[in-house]
Amino acid sequence: AQKITQTQPGMFVQEKEAVTLDCTYDTSDPSYGLFWYKQPSSGEMIFLIYQGSYDQQNATEGRYSLNFQKARKSANLVISASQLGDSAMYFCAMREGGGTSYGKLTFGQGTILTVHP
Amino acid sequence: NAGVTQTPKFQVLKTGQSMTLQCAQDMNHNSMYWYRQDPGMGLRLIYYSASEGTTDKGEVPNGYNVSRLNKREFSLRLESAAPSQTSVYFCASSVLQGYEQYFGPGTRLTVT
Repeated sequence: AQKITQTQPGMFVQEKEAVTLDCTYDTSDPSYGLFWYKQPSSGEMIFLIYQGSYDQQNATEGRYSLNFQKARKSANLVISASQLGDSAMYFCAMREGGGTSYGKLTFGQGTILTVHP
Repeated sequence: NAGVTQTPKFQVLKTGQSMTLQCAQDMNHNSMYWYRQDPGMGLRLIYYSASEGTTDKGEVPNGYNVSRLNKREFSLRLESAAPSQTSVYFCASSVLQGYEQYFGPGTRLTVT
């Protein structure tokens, strides 16, 4: 079973509009963390935002916010006021539990975001 | 402050050849990781090192070996390259296990 599911292969948004990229996850571990990364066409992976399973509030970092709905096991990324430079592939990732698994990230397949002027 | 550096950036190998991908970080991070990214897929963890002196298998370790040379350096070795190992390889580091990971620029490897 997929641990991280990103159901939108591609998304389009108009410049200055907000966009939501979906991510659902599957874990039975009460302690986990969710990450979003951006991969521009140049290929590097850029860390955007993190949400811990015990965090009471949704994470925010500048124009990025994470809509964390624990009961629904979703961790959607919201980008406000889209810019042309936001065009990229976006990956959701999860790390679970403790012990030897603690450092392992499982990635989704990604969503390609295109921002139109 | 270069962050995470990887060498080489590009490499072409013939089936059966061996090579080592080098990775170094200057952020004083304890944990380091190797991933591969195949077309249309997310990253998959090959091996990781939670701290200097330890290494553990990830999701796809077969055909690879790693060495955590010191706190800064973590190398990935392909002993006998196969076409199925054609991929982009990323090295990453984090201050501790479970924290956000910072990635190198990647190595594009083609095995013919």
